[in-house]
Formats: sequence, structure tokens, C-alpha cells
Amino acid sequence: QKEVEQNSGPLSVPEGAIASLNCTYSDRVSQSFFWYRQYSGKSPELIMSIYSNGDKEDGRFTAQLNKASQYVSLLIRDSQPSDSATYLCAFSAGGNNRLAFGKGNQVVVIP
Amino acid sequence: SAVISQKPSRDICQRGTSLTIQCQVDSQVTMMFWYRQQPGQSLTLIATANQGSEATYESGFVIDKFPISRPNLTFSTLTVSNMSPEDSSIYLCSVAGTSEDNEQFFGPGTRLTVL
Repeated sequence: QKEVEQNSGPLSVPEGAIASLNCTYSDRVSQSFFWYRQYSGKSPELIMSIYSNGDKEDGRFTAQLNKASQYVSLLIRDSQPSDSATYLCAFSAGGNNRLAFGKGNQVVVIP
Repeated sequence: SAVISQKPSRDICQRGTSLTIQCQVDSQVTMMFWYRQQPGQSLTLIATANQGSEATYESGFVIDKFPISRPNLTFSTLTVSNMSPEDSSIYLCSVAGTSEDNEQFFGPGTRLTVL
């Protein structure tokens, strides 16, 4: 049974539009949720962390967490070509900060 | 956040040999981890590197294949032993404990190709 599910297909959005990414998880006791951005050939970069239900905004990024429905989402407002990357969601899969990652969503922002 | 470096950044190795990857952090960190990212795949946790004791391995990974050391709070090594082409991957170390929320940050990775 997979722990983390992300939409598999690449997401193409025009520049200036909103990119919406979703992630579901299976572990009900998870407390910490993260979104990472990974450019091709680079290591993952943490862009958002969220721990409680609701929305968390940081610049053009908004993370939304719904623990009852076991999903976390990421919105990228005013998408820029520099946002073109793979976005990975992750959650703590137990004690000691161990993270389980989704397969990632590729986002392509079209100028 | 902490500055994390890895050596080597990439290597090409022959099957049957071993490679040791180093991870250095510029400040003391509570937790260090080793991940693998195979081509086109997401990240898979190999083990948690425990300072002063044996690493904690995830299901499917064993100490004989991936011995890990962590002699202090700023340094860890991962060895990939008796390599085969299936070990070709990016190996990443990460650290946690540098922020209040225990967020996890990644090093630049080591790209390993086994011929």
C-alpha cells in the first residue's frame, strides 16, 4: 500500500496562472507535511511546511492541509517560468523525522 | 539553514567495487539521513544515521550493503558496497534539527553510475 499519492501527470500552466497540486497520504498519525521543489539535476529544496489544518501562505505559495480527508495541496499563484520543476510532497512517517515522499508532480509554466 | 556538502558530487564505478560518500554539515545537527533517488523516481529513505551508534535501516536496506558511519554531529558517510548497475542512482544526505520545526534539508547529492 502506497503511503503517499500524487497526481502523476505533468501539469502545464500558462505564465501568470495558478498551479494546483494535490497529495494524499495514508498514515493517520502523520503530523508534519512538506512540499519540496526539485529542479532537474538538483537536490530537493524545501518550500513549505505545514502542521495544522487550514492554509499557510508564503509569498506566491499556499499550502492547504486537511487531516480528516488526509490530503495536502500546494497552490502556486502567478506562476513564473522559474517555477517549472518537479514538486514533491512528503510527510513524517513515524518518529525521528523519517519522511515518506510522493512520486512528484512535474510543473511546466508556459511563457 | 545549515550548509550541507557532499563528496564526491559524482562518480563512475566498476561493478563489484565500493564507494564511500561523505556528508558534511557546517553546524551540529540532531538528525542525519541517507536517501536514494533512482532515475525518474522519487526519494527513498535508506537509513537514519545515528551519532555514536549503529544506523537504523529501512525495510529493504541492510548494513552489509550500505554501511553508514556518523562519528559526530556534523559528519556522516554512506558506503555502497559490492556495486551493481542497479545501484546507479543519486544518493542524498539530509539533516534535521536546525530549525524549531525540525524541517529536513538536503545536500547537493552524489550521482553514482555503476558500469
